[in-house]
Amino acid sequence: EAGVAQSPRYKIIEKRQSVAFWCNPISGHATLYWYQQILGQGPKLLIQFQNNGVVDDSQLPKDRFSAERLKGVDSTLKIQPAKLEDSAVYLCASELSGANVLTFGAGSRLTVL
Amino acid sequence: AQSVAQPEDQVNVAEGNPLTVKCTYSVSGNPYLFWYVQYPNRGLQFLLKYITGDNLVKGSYGFEAEFNKSQTSFHLKKPSALVSDSALYFCAVRAAPGGRRALTFGSGTRLQVQP
Repeated sequence: EAGVAQSPRYKIIEKRQSVAFWCNPISGHATLYWYQQILGQGPKLLIQFQNNGVVDDSQLPKDRFSAERLKGVDSTLKIQPAKLEDSAVYLCASELSGANVLTFGAGSRLTVL
Repeated sequence: AQSVAQPEDQVNVAEGNPLTVKCTYSVSGNPYLFWYVQYPNRGLQFLLKYITGDNLVKGSYGFEAEFNKSQTSFHLKKPSALVSDSALYFCAVRAAPGGRRALTFGSGTRLQVQP
């Protein structure tokens, strides 16, 4: 089966600019996650979707981060305006209901200058 | 709240020797526990999980992990390390039943296997 697709793989922007990341989960996976992984740290949850509804966005910095999954399939994560501390790898993962296995994409590496 | 501690930033082991990567957790109720591995410039790959049943679970690439409820631990083990096992290993937890809670990850342990 095809894996979780993410794009772009790499992005370099200036602080205060905006950026968007896209994720296409595995077909049939109802749950989609966005995690932020700062260098030297473990992944930290930003937002969890079940189909097109938000399950958990308690750790999403809502003043600058937004995410949507309009049709319950693809998802977009946006940062506006970016700060230096947003430099990280943004990981998308999807999960088949009841499987208890998250499948991760390769990630999108963001560098904010 | 749920959390994971990986007390070692790095573990060094010689090829052919047994390896252990430590993990302790904190969660309300019964835990679902996981190990993931990350190779350079790659996403996280699932290794194994404990949901219920036998405390010793076996996973990919010869890895296994032992669930110890009294010590709230889930250490990753392999009887004989390979150089190709060198990577970053993450332990993760979610509260049972696992459907609606996201995984919480530890900070990771870098495994270095010397030839």
